[in-house]
Amino acid sequence: GAGVSQTPSNKVTEKGKYVELRCDPISGHTALYWYRQSLGQGPEFLIYFQGTGAADDSGLPNDRFFAVRPEGSVSTLKIQRTERGDSAVYLCASSLGWGGGTEAFFGQGTRLTVV
Amino acid sequence: RKEVEQDPGPFNVPEGATVAFNCTYSNSASQSFFWYRQDCRKEPKLLMSVYSSGNEDGRFTAQLNRASQYISLLIRDSKLSDSATYLCVVNSGTSYGKLTFGQGTILTVHP
Repeated sequence: GAGVSQTPSNKVTEKGKYVELRCDPISGHTALYWYRQSLGQGPEFLIYFQGTGAADDSGLPNDRFFAVRPEGSVSTLKIQRTERGDSAVYLCASSLGWGGGTEAFFGQGTRLTVV
Repeated sequence: RKEVEQDPGPFNVPEGATVAFNCTYSNSASQSFFWYRQDCRKEPKLLMSVYSSGNEDGRFTAQLNRASQYISLLIRDSKLSDSATYLCVVNSGTSYGKLTFGQGTILTVHP
């Protein structure tokens, strides 16, 4: 079956531009997570959804970052006025439940480079 | 203090060696614990969950010490294919679905 799909796989953008990163979770998975990972670091939590609602967005670094999941499946992470420090791999994951005890399956990530 | 801290590594071991990684977590209310594996430029994948009673999966043994708030992973008879980054993962006790990752420990197994 299909795993978690993220598009684009690579994105290069100029400083100050707006970007959208898309995540298609595994069908039937109710929980969806966004992380970002810098070189040599573990994934850093950004936000997670249970269904359509953001259950915890405490990891979003500032108000330039926003994520939606309007129909409880596909999610979009939106970054306004990008900065060079936003360059990282953005990982999306999904899991069957929200309980934290179920396995989270990751997509291959979107590598964002802000120049 | 970081929520999840791991041995800094890197670990370089010969094939057949036994290697152990430790991880500490700060939130005593955390309920779920995992080890994930991440190959170079790939996504993290679940290696194993960690239970209070300890659990084993082939050459891999994971243990949890709630009193000391640490988790360990033991790899016996290391293989070249075990070379990867091992990530300690803990769910937040207050935000149950939130998974917090450690920095990761790099393991290189050489012939």
